[in-house]
Amino acid sequence: GENVEQHPSTLSVQEGDSAVIKCTYSDSASNYFPWYKQELGKRPQLIIDIRSNVGEKKDQRIAVTLNKTAKHFSLHITETQPEDSAVYFCAASRGFQKLVFGTGTRLLVSP
Amino acid sequence: DAGVIQSPRHEVTEMGQEVTLRCKPISGHNSLFWYRQTMMRGLELLIYFNNNVPIDDSGMPEDRFSAKMPNASFSTLKIQPSEPRDSAVYFCASSFRESTDTQYFGPGTRLTVL
Repeated sequence: GENVEQHPSTLSVQEGDSAVIKCTYSDSASNYFPWYKQELGKRPQLIIDIRSNVGEKKDQRIAVTLNKTAKHFSLHITETQPEDSAVYFCAASRGFQKLVFGTGTRLLVSP
Repeated sequence: DAGVIQSPRHEVTEMGQEVTLRCKPISGHNSLFWYRQTMMRGLELLIYFNNNVPIDDSGMPEDRFSAKMPNASFSTLKIQPSEPRDSAVYFCASSFRESTDTQYFGPGTRLTVL
């Protein structure tokens, strides 16, 4: 089955810096790669996703890149703000297979 | 739409008691997912229904856990008997068609088993 690894587990940046979180997956047939943000005590919420037919997707300050050959994908957050502080989860899936989540990255943005 | 609705939001029970968690998915969504989140194990899928039929229950820990989806608008997750190691936040999520569609999470049920 699918296995997703996520790094780093913790990331501290200064406000205004960029943050990058990386994930690798094992199933070459996976074709859907979402990223979820979970604030303390809240539910996970989708912030961006990418499918295997594209290599990059952007939405304002966040972007995701996908390298199918290397089986890894990354989340990029530019101009970080304190409200970006949260736990970020990557995940991978295909078709009717279950979504498998990474272990999460705790991002702390200091003012 | 009100989003995914879960009840109760908090549950405190004693070891050995039966616990039932409830979920109402977003209207029109055909897939429903039960997740468990703990510090040690992260976010793990317990069971996944599509059109009310269980598709993947490989994450159900053991026979003490059972889940049902009697209709498109309601699902339950039951733990009997409960144990302290079952303490976790249980999330229900739903998506329009399948797991590769956006999954919308409910607010979660925080379960504490004493």
